[in-house]
Amino acid sequence: ELKVEQNPLFLSMQEGKNYTIYCNYSTTSDRLYWYRQDPGKSLESLFVLLSNGAVKQEGRLMASLDTKARLSTLHITAAVHDLSATYFCAGASGTYKYIFGTGTRLKVLA
Amino acid sequence: DGGITQSPKYLFRKEGQNVTLSCEQNLNHDAMYWYRQDPGQGLRLIYYSQIVNDFQKGDIAEGYSVSREKKESFPLTVTSAQKNPTAFYLCASSDSGTGVEKLFFGSGTQLSVL
Repeated sequence: ELKVEQNPLFLSMQEGKNYTIYCNYSTTSDRLYWYRQDPGKSLESLFVLLSNGAVKQEGRLMASLDTKARLSTLHITAAVHDLSATYFCAGASGTYKYIFGTGTRLKVLA
Repeated sequence: DGGITQSPKYLFRKEGQNVTLSCEQNLNHDAMYWYRQDPGQGLRLIYYSQIVNDFQKGDIAEGYSVSREKKESFPLTVTSAQKNPTAFYLCASSDSGTGVEKLFFGSGTQLSVL
């Protein structure tokens, strides 16, 4: 059974700094997703990673996937306050079964 | 604009009462899902439906029921058997068969017990 673990659970960082959120998964995952959630709001899709070595970048966020290590990372470059949110990774076991991590709550301090 | 509409935004349930959360999508997606989110936790799957008139239990289906009579609609009923219903409920859909199967989420319903 697919399990997804994220760390850290909480991250407080200064503006302008870099940091990485880690997402480990326990068995083969067909796809790996990253989502962002603002407080009290819905989830917004950030990245979909489909194959080993996949790297996607959008603004200050970059996601990568290493299927051999069963690890995905979300790297934040030169953080700004607007990036404060909760970030979730999710694996997929088959077409319809998505397993979410517990989320990383990011707070960027001015 | 295409999207997923959930209603109501806030819902209060009295003890012993069944309540129904609405979810409508106009994305023409075949698959629809219901997730429960508790504070500080990830999303847990309640039910999903691959196609009209078909649905499967997720990891925490006890105390919930669903129907899928139309492609666009996937309502969730929280029954009186669900003893701890207070949570944020998210409906989602996906376009199966694309190889990407990204989830699109509604804006959520916050359910509380009176």
